[in-house]
Amino acid sequence: DARVTQTPRHKVTEMGQEVTMRCQPILGHNTVFWYRQTMMQGLELLAYFRNRAPLDDSGMPKDRFSAEMPDATLATLKIQPSEPRDSAVYFCASGLVLGTGDTEAFFGQGTRLTVV
Amino acid sequence: SQQGEEDPQALSIQEGENATMNCSYKTSINNLQWYRQNSGRGLVHLILIRSNEREKHSGRLRVTLDTSKKSSSLLITASRAADTASYFCATDGNTGRRALTFGSGTRLQVQP
Repeated sequence: DARVTQTPRHKVTEMGQEVTMRCQPILGHNTVFWYRQTMMQGLELLAYFRNRAPLDDSGMPKDRFSAEMPDATLATLKIQPSEPRDSAVYFCASGLVLGTGDTEAFFGQGTRLTVV
Repeated sequence: SQQGEEDPQALSIQEGENATMNCSYKTSINNLQWYRQNSGRGLVHLILIRSNEREKHSGRLRVTLDTSKKSSSLLITASRAADTASYFCATDGNTGRRALTFGSGTRLQVQP
């Protein structure tokens, strides 16, 4: 049963601490997205990788956020230092680009981050 | 900013009724997709409609796309209590950046 796996599912941390969220995309998928979901802003695209190369991270606050794909089975999203306004649910999604160029995204269960 | 905006924001219907949700977007697209999110869970892909298609069906789902009006609708027929969820449209723009941009969602409540 192929699925996107995110860890941890929940994280509570103090302001100023580093937070690392991990994502294991579905095997064979060549596209990875990171989204942040809040009540106020909805789903915001933070970063987007194709074949492990970052294609777009314009939605990500560069001073504190970083996203990487060390290999095809792992994507990471780091926040350093974390702030209370970073509290949100962070979703990773993976997809396979079809011949048409279309990508259907498969979402993980999310990491619920609370920064106190 | 959100590319897609769903309407209504919330919808409450009785089991067996049809539910219609609308999505408007701003820029040209390659395709438009609909996703469902149950409370506390990740999003699940429902259906994709390409920019050269006008209507698509999948089970009890019917999606229409009007590129001249930059709008789409999702119809769920014969709704069930299990259809209770939030529904999001997502656009795949053709500006070169092929990432999905999501709307704000419609919360659907189906009363048994």
